[in-house]
Amino acid sequence: GAGVSQSPRYKVTKRGQDVALRCDPISGHVSLYWYRQALGQGPEFLTYFNYEAQQDKSGLPNDRFSAERPEGSISTLTIQRTEQRDSAMYRCASSGTTGHEQYFGPGTRLTVT
Amino acid sequence: GQQLNQSPQSMFIQEGEDVSMNCTSSSIFNTWLWYKQDPGEGPVLLIALYKAGELTSNGRLTAQFGITRKDSFLNISASIPSDVGIYFCAGQYNFGNEKLTFGTGTRLTIIP
Repeated sequence: GAGVSQSPRYKVTKRGQDVALRCDPISGHVSLYWYRQALGQGPEFLTYFNYEAQQDKSGLPNDRFSAERPEGSISTLTIQRTEQRDSAMYRCASSGTTGHEQYFGPGTRLTVT
Repeated sequence: GQQLNQSPQSMFIQEGEDVSMNCTSSSIFNTWLWYKQDPGEGPVLLIALYKAGELTSNGRLTAQFGITRKDSFLNISASIPSDVGIYFCAGQYNFGNEKLTFGTGTRLTIIP
């Protein structure tokens, strides 16, 4: 596709359930980033990959959050045992070899009830 | 997490006016990016700056990379209705750390 795609666009889950959020980057982009955005605020960094290697996961809030990019393309962000405080917009971005200009997807709105 | 300070927080202007906003950081960045976000959409990249003192334009938008590397500025000339939205700055340190640190945002509203 032309841009970054994310699925699902909306996810409602019950507290304690696991969720998996998917990101499909722009074709050929080397780097993939996950951010979380609260309403009215800028995105906050979670983790990023160059190819399949996770370079920095310092932004993941706790060990319930994990991410993978096994083949260096599509990435999955998994949240285990979801809590209400995990409710947010989760955004994915990708960039080419320069790693500077990051292009964002439409996001997944996660609601934990 | 850290967020950069943007000012003003919101702006109410009339169509045709020029707009100025800025972004400041307590730490140095080596790349500055400016994004615009419309309701329900992801941030859209407007301008990227790579060198201290650099001035870059994209149509009616002009951005500057502050000489101290701790700030950046965005100007919009002759505003039009589609300029409405939230503008975010983002800093990137690079050198093996590619994460973006975003600002708090400036909400632009055009008064009819």
